[in-house]
Amino acid sequence: AQKITQTQPGMFVQEKEAVTLDCTYDTSDPSYGLFWYKQPSSGEMIFLIYQGSYDQQNATEGRYSLNFQKARKSANLVISASQLGDSAMYFCAMGAPTQGGSEKLVFGKGTKLTVNP
Amino acid sequence: GAVVSQHPSRVICKSGTSVKIECRSLDFQATTMFWYRQFPKQSLMLMATSNEGSKATYEQGVEKDKFLINHASLTLSTLTVTSAHPEDSSFYICSASADSFYNEQFFGPGTRLTVL
Repeated sequence: AQKITQTQPGMFVQEKEAVTLDCTYDTSDPSYGLFWYKQPSSGEMIFLIYQGSYDQQNATEGRYSLNFQKARKSANLVISASQLGDSAMYFCAMGAPTQGGSEKLVFGKGTKLTVNP
Repeated sequence: GAVVSQHPSRVICKSGTSVKIECRSLDFQATTMFWYRQFPKQSLMLMATSNEGSKATYEQGVEKDKFLINHASLTLSTLTVTSAHPEDSSFYICSASADSFYNEQFFGPGTRLTVL
């Protein structure tokens, strides 16, 4: 079964600095996808970045990058130049197959990021 | 990206009543819809997966008779919480995916249910 572990319940960062949110995973599938979502206090889930297990390069999307270390089974999210609007919950997730052929998401417990001015 | 809506965004009901939550994909046809539940300060937990025209597949520990899911069309899925009790108070979020989007999941804005 797939498992996602986020060991940081909360993180603080100064505005304009970079921050790394940790995520480790466990799966026996040779092919898998890893996702990061942001959830502000409003509750909506905002997709940030995706990394496929066979992708040769680490994924990047604007200020977000994913530090993918396959041997260590880690997929840490790096946010550069933090902004006050980055304050939110961040969830790491992994795709898992379902009986119907679609893919469900298994989420970690999340990390609450607070950006200080 | 594709847009998914949920209605209502908030609902308060008395214990024992049933509540229906709608999830719609507004600009694409969703072959699969997912229903998640999130308790305060916790993660999202998948409740069930539904494919259009077929019965939903429930995760272990989720009562299918209590949480009725209907996926009647490629753009609409409903979750009905039957005989709701205070312990059912939670944030319910749906997501939708389609083969044409390589099965990426698009999330609705969520529904906050409070059972008095």
